[in-house]
Amino acid sequence: DVKVTQSSRYLVKRTGEKVFLECVQDMDHENMFWYRQDPGLGLRLIYFSYDVKMKEKGDIPEGYSVSREKKERFSLILESASTNQTSMYLCASKDRGHYGYTFGSGTRLTVV
Amino acid sequence: GIQVEQSPPDLILQEGANSTLRCNFSDSVNNLQWFHQNPWGQLINLFYIPSGTKQNGRLSATTVATERYSLLYISSSQTTDSGVYFCAARGDYKLSFGAGTTVTVRA
Repeated sequence: DVKVTQSSRYLVKRTGEKVFLECVQDMDHENMFWYRQDPGLGLRLIYFSYDVKMKEKGDIPEGYSVSREKKERFSLILESASTNQTSMYLCASKDRGHYGYTFGSGTRLTVV
Repeated sequence: GIQVEQSPPDLILQEGANSTLRCNFSDSVNNLQWFHQNPWGQLINLFYIPSGTKQNGRLSATTVATERYSLLYISSSQTTDSGVYFCAARGDYKLSFGAGTTVTVRA
């Protein structure tokens, strides 16, 4: 069965810390995505990548960066965490040319 | 990007009841999907349905692309149907999600 694995289920960080959220997929998918989910807002796209070392901004990239050094791994980086980045973060991957998205279980990040 | 609106925002059902969830989208789409997020946060693809009707067990979906809406039907609801249902539409390069419908099925 295909899998997208997010390294942490719950994370608590302090304001100003640099935070790394890791996502690994085992399906050899070209496309990977980071979303954040907030009540009443649905999922909003932060960044996506369609190949190794490639990245594109989504709808809300401010305060975030990403890294994709290997095809299977897509990292989301909060350079200096702030309380308004408290949210559920979801990683997804998709095979190019196919419609199906596979999501990880999510990381609930709390910034205090 | 495409705007996606879902209604109702919340739905409480008695086990065995039927229901309809609606998704309106603002522009032409080449991809329309329905997802279910279970109470543990896992998002699962339900349907890929840019047009037409599909059925999968007790769930079915219809998209009328020319009128820019999609409907998700839940029949004979069960407690395991609880969770958040998201509609997502893609016009250009990215999938835009609606705010979701939270469904609670009571035994």
